[in-house]
Amino acid sequence: GAGVSQSPSNKVTEKGKDVELRCDPISGHTALYWYRQRLGQGLEFLIYFQGNSAPDKSGLPSDRFSAERTGESVSTLTIQRTQQEDSAVYLCASSLGPLTDTQYFGPGTRLTVL
Amino acid sequence: KQEVTQIPAALSVPEGENLVLNCSFTDSAIYNLQWFRQDPGKGLTSLLLIQSSQREQTSGRLNASLDKSSGRSTLYIAASQPGDSATYLCAVSFSQAGTALIFGKGTTLSVSS
Repeated sequence: GAGVSQSPSNKVTEKGKDVELRCDPISGHTALYWYRQRLGQGLEFLIYFQGNSAPDKSGLPSDRFSAERTGESVSTLTIQRTQQEDSAVYLCASSLGPLTDTQYFGPGTRLTVL
Repeated sequence: KQEVTQIPAALSVPEGENLVLNCSFTDSAIYNLQWFRQDPGKGLTSLLLIQSSQREQTSGRLNASLDKSSGRSTLYIAASQPGDSATYLCAVSFSQAGTALIFGKGTTLSVSS
């Protein structure tokens, strides 16, 4: 079956612009996660959605970052007024249920802020 | 603060060799530990998931062990092949870290033919 998909695969933007990244999880997966991986760094957790519960936003680095999820489907991660330090690969993952289940990752969106 | 450490950062071996990748974590209160593989320019592929109640998991040539009391996990790769070349990531779901998976920085493996 189809895995997690993300779009765009690459995004180049100018400092100060807003960007929107999209994630399509595996159908039927109730949990969805966003991570980012900056060059030479490990993956950092950003935000977690589980069903209709309030999202866990504890990993968002600043109020310029926000994310939404429509039910148990598509999620968008929005970064406002992008900065150069936002340059990273943004990875989305989904799992059948929370915490104890395997997370399946998408290919990521490589964001470059000039 | 919960942390995950992977040693070594890089490893080069000849084809056919058995090898062990190490992962250590700072808190024994965990939900599970996962090993992932990351190929350049691609996303992560889950290899093995070990629940906190388990001691090991096996898949093909891969065997992962978990020792919560010592805060350690190992990924054993038998009869390595050039196709095993990738970065291997260890990630831990800590009970006190909410829903976040905490990742190590990975071990980059190169298997030469």
